[in-house]
Amino acid sequence: QQQVKQSPQSLIVQKGGISIINCAYENTAFDYFPWYQQFPGKGPALLIAIRPDVSEKKEGRFTISFNKSAKQFSLHIMDSQPGDSATYFCAASMRHYGGSQGNLIFGKGTKLSVKP
Amino acid sequence: KAGVTQTPRYLIKTRGQQVTLSCSPISGHRSVSWYQQTPGQGLQFLFEYFSETQRNKGNFPGRFSGRQFSNSRSEMNVSTLELGDSALYLCASMEGVGTRFDEQFFGPGTRLTVL
Repeated sequence: QQQVKQSPQSLIVQKGGISIINCAYENTAFDYFPWYQQFPGKGPALLIAIRPDVSEKKEGRFTISFNKSAKQFSLHIMDSQPGDSATYFCAASMRHYGGSQGNLIFGKGTKLSVKP
Repeated sequence: KAGVTQTPRYLIKTRGQQVTLSCSPISGHRSVSWYQQTPGQGLQFLFEYFSETQRNKGNFPGRFSGRQFSNSRSEMNVSTLELGDSALYLCASMEGVGTRFDEQFFGPGTRLTVL
């Protein structure tokens, strides 16, 4: 059963534009929501992450918006660049005993293409 | 610090065989998680090991198993390979001791092809 739904599957944005990717989750026990970026032939790399006690987190051109009541979160990429062209994955996890969250549930991914 | 390393990077096996993949985490990291990535199913969690103990397990058949050694290095094994096991197998490490934001660092993966 898919627990994190991601949309859109693919996205084409002009250079300088805003890229927006959305995710929705079902399990209210999730308490950690990261976004990963993956280039072909590489493993995913963490972009930015958020916990449900804040509604927004910004790091450079990347912003996560979080809506706890709607069980949704989104990634905004401002001033998108051709180098941002990659596949983006949202994920969620919950703390297990011992306090860590080693079990990430991933969305299906969004392939972003930024046109020059 | 060196990143997460996985060996081998590419592997070709035939149905019915077994395979062992290896992962060396970042120095000091005690948690190692394994994921399977396929075009159809995306990234799916296999299991997590912490201090040589399996801490979490995903929804995969018993043919998939793993272990972790005292130096935190981990191996995963797939027995009786099926065509559907063809995938990119990713290993991720993290400190694993309950920090507020415990980032998982991924390796480049092992590309397994089952013929």
